Parts: sequence; C-alpha cells; structure tokens
Amino acid sequence: DGGITQSPKYLFRKEGQNVTLSCEQNLNHDAMYWYRQDPGQGLRLIYYSQIVNDFQKGDIAEGYSVSREKKESFPLTVTSAQKNPTAFYLCASSYTSSDTQYFGPGTRLTVL
Amino acid sequence: AQKITQTQPGMFVQEKEAVTLDCTYDTSDPSYGLFWYKQPSSGEMIFLIYQGSYDQQNATEGRYSLNFQKARKSANLVISASQLGDSAMYFCAMREGLVGNQFYFGTGTSLTVIP
Repeated sequence: DGGITQSPKYLFRKEGQNVTLSCEQNLNHDAMYWYRQDPGQGLRLIYYSQIVNDFQKGDIAEGYSVSREKKESFPLTVTSAQKNPTAFYLCASSYTSSDTQYFGPGTRLTVL
Repeated sequence: AQKITQTQPGMFVQEKEAVTLDCTYDTSDPSYGLFWYKQPSSGEMIFLIYQGSYDQQNATEGRYSLNFQKARKSANLVISASQLGDSAMYFCAMREGLVGNQFYFGTGTSLTVIP
C-alpha cells in the first residue's frame, strides 16, 4: 500500500531534550512538508522540501530542524530551543510543490 | 488580512440532508488552488476536493462538490446526503501561486451529523 507513515503516534519528552519525528512516504513524491497544529487552529507550515538535499523554512521554523537525504524520508527534529513544542505534528507530501498535498496520520508531542 | 476565512466554527446537519461549509479566500495572485480536507478525531487530514483558479466548472467528487464563485472569492464545500461518518473538522486551504510554501489553511469548521 502506498502512503505516508509517521512515527511514533504519541511522543513524550522532557523539557530541554531534542526529539526527532519520523516521516516516510512511498508515493514517489518529490515535495514533503511539516506542519504544526495547535488545538482549535489550522495548520502552520514549519519546513518544506521540494527535492532531495534541499529544504526551506516555513512560517514557524524557529526551534526546528529537518533533513532530506532521501526522497522517501523527511525527519523533523524539535530542539530544546522550541519554546512551546507541545502540539500535533503532521507530515505531508505531493508530487511537486504545486500539487495536492497528502497527509500522514500525525504525531502528538507532549513536553512534560 | 487572513488568507483563508472559515466563519462557521460549528455546524449541525440531519443525516441524509445536504450541508454547505463556507470558505472565503484572499489573494491577488491569478494562479491559485483551493482545497478541502476532512480531519476526523483520529487526526489524519484527508483530501476531499480541489479547484484550480482557472477551472471553468465547479469540482465534484462523489458526495462532495465545491461551489466556486471567483468574483466573490468564495469556495464553499457542499456535502450531499450527509452520513454519520461525515462528522469531523473540515479545513479549507489555498495554494497561492505555484510554490509549496504559499499554502494556507483556515481555522476549520466542526461538522456534526445528527441521526
């Protein structure tokens, strides 16, 4: 089955620790995205990547980092510099940056 | 100004009835795309329907149709014959231009289908 997987589904972290969220797709999509969703809010773009080895900051990139070493994978690291990291994180991908984005199931991160 | 505005925080509809979810957008770019996504309580965003700015006809996908009124900058989602499984959050989104970072979401509308 083709799709986008995110792991883990739930993640707990102590303050001051970095944590990496996984996103993998087997749809052969070039573009990948990370969004953050807070309760009662829409999605806000953190980072996006149009091709391998290239990525761009979105609207709320501070305190986050990404890599795109493989077409299939776009991990997101939430660093200790992110002041309010508790949120729901969604990964998406699309054939190109102008095509429809398809989403993974999301990871809910809670900082204790 | 907000790029995407959804003015209905919550909506109720009787099962088997039709419902319209409102969405207005703001852009001066002639090339844009409009999307609707469904987010059930599980959290995954499910793509429903797409309308391009140059499309002459309103998009339809099964029970979903998009009422596109370009001059009014509105892109309302119509769900016909509502089902209990349609209960979810619905988000309108816009891709402005052709680059992936110009993608904006509204704050969503919570739809509850009543048996």
